[in-house]
Amino acid sequence: DAKTTQPPSMDCAEGRAANLPCNHSTISGNEYVYWYRQIHSQGPQYIIHGLKNNETNEMASLIITEDRKSSTLILPHATLRDTAVYYCIVKPSGSARQLTFGSGTQLTVLP
Amino acid sequence: GAGVSQTPSNKVTEKGKYVELRCDPISGHTALYWYRQSLGQGPEFLIYFQGTGAADDSGLPNDRFFAVRPEGSVSTLKIQRTERGDSAVYLCASSTSGREDEQFFGPGTRLTVL
Repeated sequence: DAKTTQPPSMDCAEGRAANLPCNHSTISGNEYVYWYRQIHSQGPQYIIHGLKNNETNEMASLIITEDRKSSTLILPHATLRDTAVYYCIVKPSGSARQLTFGSGTQLTVLP
Repeated sequence: GAGVSQTPSNKVTEKGKYVELRCDPISGHTALYWYRQSLGQGPEFLIYFQGTGAADDSGLPNDRFFAVRPEGSVSTLKIQRTERGDSAVYLCASSTSGREDEQFFGPGTRLTVL
């Protein structure tokens, strides 16, 4: 699976949009971009995934560049409960396969 | 509905002892995964089951680690002759057939080897 690069930490003001970047320059044509987050002392939680089109669900939006070498997870109105480590992962879709987690980005939402 | 549950939530043992960690996946989920997470790092894959069989055990660090899922639901991770380096949070996740993209994680078992 392709390797991802994320900043180790970011801050965001409560109520503002949080934009979390991820680089995956070696992504293959059959690999999707996944985002999970892990709130302190809990297991990781799935957020969203996509191939090349932008995706939106009730939790977040995922913007993938046209060359697919990078992406941005957007939390439109961050709350204190969004404080967590956010992991960007790439892997082929449609099969039960393990997730390869990196170090992620620690997002701290400030009051 | 009920999520993935793991027992015990905390386990303290002495070096050299044997431990078993249990995972109850979401009912009906066919795939089950074990990961472990050391302090300050992301989860690291250990093994995954499709039904009763281990489909990929390439993440198990050595032969002291073993996992079973005899009836295709509950799984047990077994660690023999524990070492201090085995101290970590052991996470279990499950996913359903047709929606393998979303893995549901349990809260983990914190193992401390003294």
